[in-house]
Amino acid sequence: SQTIHQWPATLVQPVGSPLSLECTVEGTSNPNLYWYRQAAGRGLQLLFYSVGIGQISSEVPQNLSASRPQDRQFILSSKKLLLSDSGFYLCAWSGTGGDQPQHFGDGTRLSIL
Amino acid sequence: DQQVKQNSPSLSVQEGRISILNCDYTNSMFDYFLWYKKYPAEGPTFLISISSIKDKNEDGRFTVFLNKSAKHLSLHIVPSQPGDSAVYFCAASSNDYKLSFGAGTTVTVRA
Repeated sequence: SQTIHQWPATLVQPVGSPLSLECTVEGTSNPNLYWYRQAAGRGLQLLFYSVGIGQISSEVPQNLSASRPQDRQFILSSKKLLLSDSGFYLCAWSGTGGDQPQHFGDGTRLSIL
Repeated sequence: DQQVKQNSPSLSVQEGRISILNCDYTNSMFDYFLWYKKYPAEGPTFLISISSIKDKNEDGRFTVFLNKSAKHLSLHIVPSQPGDSAVYFCAASSNDYKLSFGAGTTVTVRA
């Protein structure tokens, strides 16, 4: 069966510091990969998605970037964190083609001080 | 622009009764709809989905109804159980891999 791992679970970072959140998927090949952010009391906002290695699409302009160095690895990064980057970050994967549900990791709670 | 709306932020229901969660959408290009359940400090868990060629899909205690003309879908949980207490998100896509989510409805099942 497929599993998705996301770490760390919680992270406290000072303003201006760099960020690297990692997500890996097991049990499937060539998945679509996604990064979402959930602000308090809001739904999930899609930040980035990837349909293959090195292919990244950005949905919203922001202080963050994403990379997919391997088929089942998706990384969310920032060179300098802002206070507004605080939130709950979720990685997800889906199969390709047709109607495919997305399956989420357990998320990272990021607090910027 | 919020294309998927869940107008009820919360719902309280007695154990054993039916829970009905509602969702409205504005984008007529959406053709695939999903419901997710989320516990605090966890990622959303996929519950059930429906494509636009159907008007009903059932999986155990969960049934999703789609009314395309009204751009409305609903999730019925029968019977409601204490473990169903969670936040439920409605989501939709238009065959481009991207999901648009509603803001969620918090369900509380009372014993």
